[in-house]
Amino acid sequence: EAAVTQSPRNKVAVTGGKVTLSCNQTNNHNNMYWYRQDTGHGLRLIHYSYGAGSTEKGDIPDGYKASRPSQENFSLILELATPSQTSVYFCASGGGTGGNTQYFGPGTRLLVL
Amino acid sequence: AQSVTQPDARVTVSEGASLQLRCKYSYSGTPYLFWYVQYPRQGLQLLLKYYSGDPVVQGVNGFEAEFSKSNSSFHLRKASVHWSDSAVYFCVLSFNSAGNKLTFGIGTRVLVRP
Repeated sequence: EAAVTQSPRNKVAVTGGKVTLSCNQTNNHNNMYWYRQDTGHGLRLIHYSYGAGSTEKGDIPDGYKASRPSQENFSLILELATPSQTSVYFCASGGGTGGNTQYFGPGTRLLVL
Repeated sequence: AQSVTQPDARVTVSEGASLQLRCKYSYSGTPYLFWYVQYPRQGLQLLLKYYSGDPVVQGVNGFEAEFSKSNSSFHLRKASVHWSDSAVYFCVLSFNSAGNKLTFGIGTRVLVRP
């Protein structure tokens, strides 16, 4: 069974602060993804990565950075958090041995005050 | 650009009844289609996927979906629902076989009444 974990599971941040969301996968998948989920929008792709050292912009990258230091880890960074970034964030992995199915983590609830 | 439409935001059914969730997609090329389910406070899990061949695909937990190219649809069905099927269901489109970039519908929330 594919395993994707996220930390923290819940986060409260202040406007203008820096937030880092972490994701770890133990499946040896090449690809990893960050999405946000908002009511009325489904999931939207923020950044993704094809492997260690690579990051690509998704559909809504503004205000976010990503880092893929290793095969297992993929971080999403909000340098200057804003209330509009309050959302639920999901990490996923796929590709390589995972084929074309994406496996999702449990999500991180972020509240920016 | 590709898009996915799930016209029903909420569906309520009684336990034991049948369920159909509608999905329409817009994409000029060959679509790769998925249904994912999200249980409360959890991540998304794959129910089934379609790439080619038999337009009716079977998934987990008794779910199946039917692809129609002429109608640009990929509807999900289950013959008899259980209370544990209460969840949010997402229809998802990919435009490459690697599934690297997914386009999600907004989801249909299903409530199964005892």
